[in-house]
Amino acid sequence: AQSVTQPDIHITVSEGASLELRCNYSYGATPYLFWYVQSPGQGLQLLLKYFSGDTLVQGIKGFEAEFKRSQSSFNLRKPSVHWSDAAEYFCAVGARQAGTALIFGKGTTLSVSS
Amino acid sequence: EPEVTQTPSHQVTQMGQEVILRCVPISNHLYFYWYRQILGQKVEFLVSFYNNEISEKSEIFDDQFSVERPDGSNFTLKIRSTKLEDSAMYFCASSLPLDTQYFGPGTRLTVL
Repeated sequence: AQSVTQPDIHITVSEGASLELRCNYSYGATPYLFWYVQSPGQGLQLLLKYFSGDTLVQGIKGFEAEFKRSQSSFNLRKPSVHWSDAAEYFCAVGARQAGTALIFGKGTTLSVSS
Repeated sequence: EPEVTQTPSHQVTQMGQEVILRCVPISNHLYFYWYRQILGQKVEFLVSFYNNEISEKSEIFDDQFSVERPDGSNFTLKIRSTKLEDSAMYFCASSLPLDTQYFGPGTRLTVL
């Protein structure tokens, strides 16, 4: 079955500390991979995506993610977290085919302490 | 930067009533989607739409749901007879072929 697992429901990091949010997927073939962020009461904003090529992808707001095919993972990282990064983060996968569904993980809530 | 817009931002309705949620996708996009997120749960796919036809739908998208592109700019989701369990945030998204899905801000539907 196709699925996305985000093992950490809630993470708290100190402002300025590094961050890694985990994402593992189960999919029939190599999918497209995405990270979206959702602030309270807001929609889903794309942080970054992996389609092909370099397995380390850069996104907005200083985020990056690394696709590891052997581990079926697409972990999100940021070297220094800012208070404004507090939000819910969703990993998603989709088929390499137009118009198909994205499958989302349950999300990780990030809190930032001062 | 072009963005997906949705109206209304919040809709309250009585159980059994029909609701129509509206979306204006990004103008040059060809694929349109609806997702929902029940409070505290993950985002779930409902349906995708291309060339005036449904291209994929989930088990959630039963006969109570329908989608339409009534003109060149709007994309709507209709729920014919709302149930309490339809209460959720509904997100519209659009994309180019084989490209990123861009999401709107959502419509919060509350069924009383």
